[in-house]
Amino acid sequence: DTAVSQTPKYLVTQMGNDKSIKCEQNLGHDTMYWYKQDSKKFLKIMFSYNNKELIINETVPNRFSPKSPDKAHLNLHINSLELGDSAVYFCASSQKVGTSGAGSTDTQYFGPGTRLTVL
Amino acid sequence: AQKVTQAQTEISVVEKEDVTLDCVYETRDTTYYLFWYKQPPSGELVFLIRRNSFDEQNEISGRYSWNFQKSTSSFNFTITASQVVDSAVYFCALSEDTASKIIFGSGTRLSIRP
Repeated sequence: DTAVSQTPKYLVTQMGNDKSIKCEQNLGHDTMYWYKQDSKKFLKIMFSYNNKELIINETVPNRFSPKSPDKAHLNLHINSLELGDSAVYFCASSQKVGTSGAGSTDTQYFGPGTRLTVL
Repeated sequence: AQKVTQAQTEISVVEKEDVTLDCVYETRDTTYYLFWYKQPPSGELVFLIRRNSFDEQNEISGRYSWNFQKSTSSFNFTITASQVVDSAVYFCALSEDTASKIIFGSGTRLSIRP
């Protein structure tokens, strides 16, 4: 059974289009995340949701809109795609522990990644 | 502010050699957590270890070992008798207990030559 899954694995699209990436976890975790990995392999957090509530928004352009219909799902919608959005996007989840109450201190388990290419 | 530095961008060794990947971190918190992740050529991110700031015991798991030293703010990772399958990008990461996120280092690309 896949713990954290993402669809699609590959996404090729034209500039200006709108696209979505879906993420699901079956670990029973409370906290989910989206990361962007650029061409130099640098990993940076974009968003974090704890039990469907947004807790981190790392100055990501508002063309990116996460949506969490329930705590097992965190989808990422991107409007008006730009060339610079080309990257690998990773979803992750963790159990809520730690004094911050946001699950930051627990291990994050990652999905397989979605490679987005904007032409 | 939290920061993770992996000064070694790329390392290449011959199979069966031992190799150490360095990780230096910065934090003002007394409670924090350190992680190592592996990203093989297939692209997924694989969790390797999580260590809290109160546990400075070294950890060994098969050919992998980790050396945590608070005095030098380092959490180094050693692979003994390296194998070609160890070729990957390795990320060190830090999470402060008062923060809500994990900060990753820039990664070290390890190539094991047969």
